[in-house]
Amino acid sequence: KAGVTQTPRYLIKTRGQQVTLSCSPISGHRSVSWYQQTPGQGLQFLFEYFSETQRNKGNFPGRFSGRQFSNSRSEMNVSTLELGDSALYLCASSPARQGGHTIYFGEGSWLTVV
Amino acid sequence: QQPVQSPQAVILREGEDAVINCSSSKALYSVHWYRQKHGEAPVFLMILLKGGEQKGHEKISASFNEKKQQSSLYLTASQLSYSGTYFCGTEIEGGYGGSQGNLIFGKGTKLSVKP
Repeated sequence: KAGVTQTPRYLIKTRGQQVTLSCSPISGHRSVSWYQQTPGQGLQFLFEYFSETQRNKGNFPGRFSGRQFSNSRSEMNVSTLELGDSALYLCASSPARQGGHTIYFGEGSWLTVV
Repeated sequence: QQPVQSPQAVILREGEDAVINCSSSKALYSVHWYRQKHGEAPVFLMILLKGGEQKGHEKISASFNEKKQQSSLYLTASQLSYSGTYFCGTEIEGGYGGSQGNLIFGKGTKLSVKP
């Protein structure tokens, strides 16, 4: 069974640009969550999608957005990139919304903003 | 809402034991533990649910004190492969005793096991 797949794995962008990251969850998983990981801050929750609807959102500015498609694949977008957006962005999938379900992480997308 | 982990870092010799703690100010539905090695995805270790249910790897031991909103991960007879950063993720209890629906992670505990 394939794991969570994230693309691209590495990318470099310039301040002011926008970026779109993609996540394919494990087959059969309907919940997708996104996290930002930076040194010293741990894993910070961005948002959670289930059945194409955003169910929860973390404390990030509106420049961070996402969506989920009918096949459960998800994308997140960051507009007007800032240097501080440089981070590892992790996607995680789960069979259902939380409630004790294990979430499985992808290997992440490393974003560098210059 | 972010849980607090302690210690921030710990260095062990092979064979030694360690305890990593996770504390929340909110009533919890569950606590999840993950280990992440440098450059890799976090890997699931264990879930502890309110009411006492636990799911996870047989060789991993943990506890969940529902009254204190605290969890501890016990690493015994450590091996070199235990090195990495350990994260606890908490599901906050929502209405009617269910879950609010997303995991909030602590900042992590870096564990280094030396030969």
